[in-house]
Amino acid sequence: AQRVTQPEKLLSVFKGAPVELKCNYSYSGSPELFWYVQYSRQRLQLLLRHISRESIKGFTADLNKGETSFHLKKPFAQEEDSAMYYCALSGRNQGGKLIFGQGTELSVKP
Amino acid sequence: DVKVTQSSRYLVKRTGEKVFLECVQDMDHENMFWYRQDPGLGLRLIYFSYDVKMKEKGDIPEGYSVSREKKERFSLILESASTNQTSMYLCASSFFSGDTEAFFGQGTRLTVV
Repeated sequence: AQRVTQPEKLLSVFKGAPVELKCNYSYSGSPELFWYVQYSRQRLQLLLRHISRESIKGFTADLNKGETSFHLKKPFAQEEDSAMYYCALSGRNQGGKLIFGQGTELSVKP
Repeated sequence: DVKVTQSSRYLVKRTGEKVFLECVQDMDHENMFWYRQDPGLGLRLIYFSYDVKMKEKGDIPEGYSVSREKKERFSLILESASTNQTSMYLCASSFFSGDTEAFFGQGTRLTVV
């Protein structure tokens, strides 16, 4: 079964602190993993995807197939990072069917 | 600029009404999705379509149906609205392969009274 789990509903940190949002998945095959972000009153949008191996707004995520994880990290959190973050999975053999986790609300305090 | 447009931002309907939520995309995407977004539950896939007239059930299809007669349009239908279908509904689209970005609409906040 295709599943994405984000164990933390809320993560609260102070500005300048490191951030790690956890994501675990289950999928029988080669998954495509994504992080999406939703800022207040804005549309859900792509933050980054594992295939690109890029850093966006200081965030990075590494796909660990052994641990079936795709945690999102940032060394120094900023107040503007406060948002809802969703981990998502798609499978090549499913024609792009996209499944999301429960989401983690990140709150960065001044 | 890429666009996914949902026909309504807010809707209030009565229990038992038939409700139509419309979504249009202008990116020639093969895939279209309907999700509902609830606090603590994340985005749950209701239905998915990868081509015209093709549909696949998601995780929570009960009480919903969909229609895709044209590539750019994907409709979500609540045959008989119930109060437990009060939610935020999000439409999205993407290219057929699984490694591309999905683009989202602005959402429709549906309240069933």
